[in-house]
Amino acid sequence: KQEVTQIPAALSVPEGENLVLNCSFTDSAIYNLQWFRQDPGKGLTSLLLIQSSQREQTSGRLNASLDKSSGRSTLYIAASQPGDSATYLCAVPYPSAGKSTFGDGTTLTVKP
Amino acid sequence: DGGITQSPKYLFRKEGQNVTLSCEQNLNHDAMYWYRQDPGQGLRLIYYSQIVNDFQKGDIAEGYSVSREKKESFPLTVTSAQKNPTAFYLCASSEDWYNEQFFGPGTRLTVL
Repeated sequence: KQEVTQIPAALSVPEGENLVLNCSFTDSAIYNLQWFRQDPGKGLTSLLLIQSSQREQTSGRLNASLDKSSGRSTLYIAASQPGDSATYLCAVPYPSAGKSTFGDGTTLTVKP
Repeated sequence: DGGITQSPKYLFRKEGQNVTLSCEQNLNHDAMYWYRQDPGQGLRLIYYSQIVNDFQKGDIAEGYSVSREKKESFPLTVTSAQKNPTAFYLCASSEDWYNEQFFGPGTRLTVL
């Protein structure tokens, strides 16, 4: 069974800091890994999808990396802003189950 | 505009009533999903459908029912058998089960 873990559950940083969010998974047989952002009371917004054959994927100030062998992905946010405050979730499609497994998320607060 | 719509945004139910949450997508996606999210918790999969006229139970299907008669629609019924239905419900879709998932804005259900 695929398990996805995100540590820490919450993170608070001052504005302008570069930061890294972590996502760990137990089964390396994945197709891809997707990072989402969720604002309070809203749906999830897709940020980045990184294919299993890729090592990195970038979008603006966001950079996602994937290391299948170690079962880890990181989401790097450069020059954080208060508007980046949200919960960030990762998800992994699990081939033998035909569905995705989600982490519980990391809630980020960026203080002005 | 392409996307996923959920209605209503807020729903109130009396105990013993069945209610149906709507989810529609115009992305021509084969796969659709229903998730439940409780305060401060991650997503839990209720039901998913990989193709029209077919669906499978997720991790917490008891007290819920779905149908997939049309490719663009995946309604969720919360029955009176669901003992604690107050939660935030999210619908999602993807081209195939392993592709990028896109989410709707959610429906907040409250039992009075």
